Amino acid sequence: EAGVAQSPRYKIIEKRQSVAFWCNPISGHATLYWYQQILGQGPKLLIQFQNNGVVDDSQLPKDRFSAERLKGVDSTLKIQPAKLEDSAVYLCASSLDRRAEQYFGPGTRLTVT
Amino acid sequence: DQQVKQNSPSLSVQEGRISILNCDYTNSMFDYFLWYKKYPAEGPTFLISISSIKDKNEDGRFTVFLNKSAKHLSLHIVPSQPGDSAVYFCAAIEEENYQLIWGAGTKLIIKP
Repeated sequence: EAGVAQSPRYKIIEKRQSVAFWCNPISGHATLYWYQQILGQGPKLLIQFQNNGVVDDSQLPKDRFSAERLKGVDSTLKIQPAKLEDSAVYLCASSLDRRAEQYFGPGTRLTVT
Repeated sequence: DQQVKQNSPSLSVQEGRISILNCDYTNSMFDYFLWYKKYPAEGPTFLISISSIKDKNEDGRFTVFLNKSAKHLSLHIVPSQPGDSAVYFCAAIEEENYQLIWGAGTKLIIKP
């Protein structure tokens, strides 16, 4: 069974630029999560989708971050414009449903200079 | 407000000995606790979990202990192996919203 795929694996941008991350969850997983992990901290949930609907985006900085999950499968997370403090690893995870075990992708390491 | 705390950023243990990783929490409404293991450049992978109605769960070399009165849990790895070197995250779930709340992680280094 293929795992959660993410791309790109690494990205370096200057502040005020835009960036987008892509996630392909495990086939059949209804729930998809985006986490932000800053160095030395645990992952912080940014947004949770159930199929193509948003379940929780309470910690998503909506003035600069946006996410979508078209057709309830792949998802993209966008930052526009980026700030220095957005430097982090962005993890995508999926699960069969919101109560099931979460499987994580390898993450995208973003460096904002 | 850090609801899940892992106060040791790193831990070094001799191969073959016991590794004990600790985690404290503040929210008494947490129903379920999980440990994840993370290697560099990889996402976290689930290791072991425990329900709040239990005080111990064992899976091979890994045992998790829960002390609800102290709001403390620990992960024991016996015997420790070089492949156990990784960052270990403690996480908790509140039944109401089923959101994972993570600790900051402890980097475990197993010395040969």
